[in-house]
Amino acid sequence: AQSVTQPDIHITVSEGASLELRCNYSYGATPYLFWYVQSPGQGLQLLLKYFSGDTLVQGIKGFEAEFKRSQSSFNLRKPSVHWSDAAEYFCAVGARSNDYKLSFGAGTTVTVRA
Amino acid sequence: EAGVTQFPSHSVIEKGQTVTLRCDPISGHDNLYWYRRVMGKEIKFLLHFVKESKQDESGMPNNRFLAERTGGTYSTLKVQPAELEDSGVYFCASRKGVAGGSYNEQFFGPGTRLTVL
Repeated sequence: AQSVTQPDIHITVSEGASLELRCNYSYGATPYLFWYVQSPGQGLQLLLKYFSGDTLVQGIKGFEAEFKRSQSSFNLRKPSVHWSDAAEYFCAVGARSNDYKLSFGAGTTVTVRA
Repeated sequence: EAGVTQFPSHSVIEKGQTVTLRCDPISGHDNLYWYRRVMGKEIKFLLHFVKESKQDESGMPNNRFLAERTGGTYSTLKVQPAELEDSGVYFCASRKGVAGGSYNEQFFGPGTRLTVL
């Protein structure tokens, strides 16, 4: 079975500061890993994904994530946060064998203070 | 190109009533997924259609939930009768099938917030 843990329910960060959101997954094989963002009133938007290859992946809006197999982690980072980054972020895992149905973490809400 | 749309955006019903949620996927997307997020919990998979066929309905909570995708276009999710624990946000996502089963992105709708009183 696949599962995802996001340990941080809520993070507050100052505008311009760096941001790191944690994600740990459980899956028997090499997973397909995703980060989604949901802004108020919007659907889930894919930020980035990891399937294989380079363990540091770049996404949209200046986000990046690093896959660490030894730690079963896929943490999301952004060097300098903008007020528009205030949203809820979800880590998810999927597999081709499951037709890419996704298992999500509980989400991390990011608040950006001026 | 229009994205995934869901209707209604918000529904408030009494316990025991029936509600039908609708999802219109992106045109040409064979794969359609339903997910649900109960307040404070993670988003959970409900079921997956490929065209009009149910490929996987392992996440459906019980037989009060009925999903259909007639003609392989839009999908409906009916809850009958609704219970308090059915409250949450119901998301729909669609994905274009690729020969060989390679990945391509699931696009999500904005969700329907269901409140059962």
